[in-house]
Amino acid sequence: DAGITQSPRHKVTETGTPVTLRCHQTENHRYMYWYRQDPGHGLRLIHYSYGVKDTDKGEVSDGYSVSRSKTEDFLLTLESATSSQTSVYFCAIRWQGISGNTIYFGEGSWLTVV
Amino acid sequence: AQSVTQLDSQVPVFEEAPVELRCNYSSSVSVYLFWYVQYPNQGLQLLLKYLSGSTLVESINGFEAEFNKSPPSIHLRKPSVHISDTAEYFCAVSEGRGAQKLVFGQGTRLTINP
Repeated sequence: DAGITQSPRHKVTETGTPVTLRCHQTENHRYMYWYRQDPGHGLRLIHYSYGVKDTDKGEVSDGYSVSRSKTEDFLLTLESATSSQTSVYFCAIRWQGISGNTIYFGEGSWLTVV
Repeated sequence: AQSVTQLDSQVPVFEEAPVELRCNYSSSVSVYLFWYVQYPNQGLQLLLKYLSGSTLVESINGFEAEFNKSPPSIHLRKPSVHISDTAEYFCAVSEGRGAQKLVFGQGTRLTINP
């Protein structure tokens, strides 16, 4: 258990509305990530953070913004949701251990945009 | 940029038979290689971690991996599968030595038939 909590776990929203997904971690990891999962694409990186207020784009960042005002929380915002953003969103952390680095995932947030 | 290809989108096997899930990637420099498993409606669980050029670091649930340098690949193997192994399996490769970001393959759905 990497101590990652995602909320909400399930959400249905209407096109054009803003949506914020929250990722909370309890173990002070520096790196946090947001991925989306779609059939046939595996997981694709949206944004990641390497510290408080330090974020960078991934390969599918258009239409998404992120914020990290404290170590434990990484927020993903869809400013104006579109149907193409219907997906499963996974938060992840990078664990630095004796045997090297490992990336662990949260349980996912299922988002449907209608 | 790193790219990852899982060669089979679906693999059906009989219970207690051996299985191999294949994964090729593009870069031959030292990288972290991961296999994750995803059961229906759940998050991703780490199955295996490997640092190329080194020895196997971590493996769970009887799974093994064969690493090859040319072409770069890390194929996942299990000598005898069980019904409970039915899931989707993802191969992921880091960009950079620190595993700051992962690039995923498209996933392989493993179906075990009795």
